[in-house]
Amino acid sequence: AAGVIQSPRHLIKEKRETATLKCYPIPRHDTVYWYQQGPGQDPQFLISFYEKMQSDKGSIPDRFSAQQFSDYHSELNMSSLELGDSALYFCASSLRGAGTKNEQYFGPGTRLTVT
Amino acid sequence: ILNVEQSPQSLHVQEGDSTNFTCSFPSSNFYALHWYRWETAKSPEALFVMTLNGDEKKKGRISATLNTKEGYSYLYIKGSQPEDSATYLCAFPNAGNNRKLIWGLGTSLAVNP
Repeated sequence: AAGVIQSPRHLIKEKRETATLKCYPIPRHDTVYWYQQGPGQDPQFLISFYEKMQSDKGSIPDRFSAQQFSDYHSELNMSSLELGDSALYFCASSLRGAGTKNEQYFGPGTRLTVT
Repeated sequence: ILNVEQSPQSLHVQEGDSTNFTCSFPSSNFYALHWYRWETAKSPEALFVMTLNGDEKKKGRISATLNTKEGYSYLYIKGSQPEDSATYLCAFPNAGNNRKLIWGLGTSLAVNP
């Protein structure tokens, strides 16, 4: 079965650069979530989209933005990167709606290293 | 404000020990409860989605029970193995239309060989 795809899997950037992470949800899933997990830290919810509209916003820095496109894939844009942005970024997708349980399926993650 | 609480925050057990931990959630407007297993640097893995009071689900050595009236779920691991070391998270969909998952902070389990 198709799973959540994230690209790239690894990314190395320098401070003050920009990075774009991509997430392709499971086909027919309508909701995408972004999470950040720093080294040795609990996962932090960043932002979610439902039917291409922002649904919920968590602890996403103002330097980051995200959107969901017409094909339901999502991109997380990160600007003015800081050393503290080095983390694993997970994307999850779910099928939200009446009768579903909104179970989230996670992608393999993108490891971002800022030097 | 919905709150999902998990206890204990962390747990260290010896290989072969059985263990359990708790997820507490609001008992009103219950919809479902999710358990996830999250190993460091890996994707979270969905373990169980529980919906009915009295539900008991099992996956290998891991099982979970659900009490929606009092608002708690237990996760049990029988005969813990080092590969069970992970953070176990529960999540509760809110009652709104968006069904956003409210996550607990997890129980971090370390199994010593």
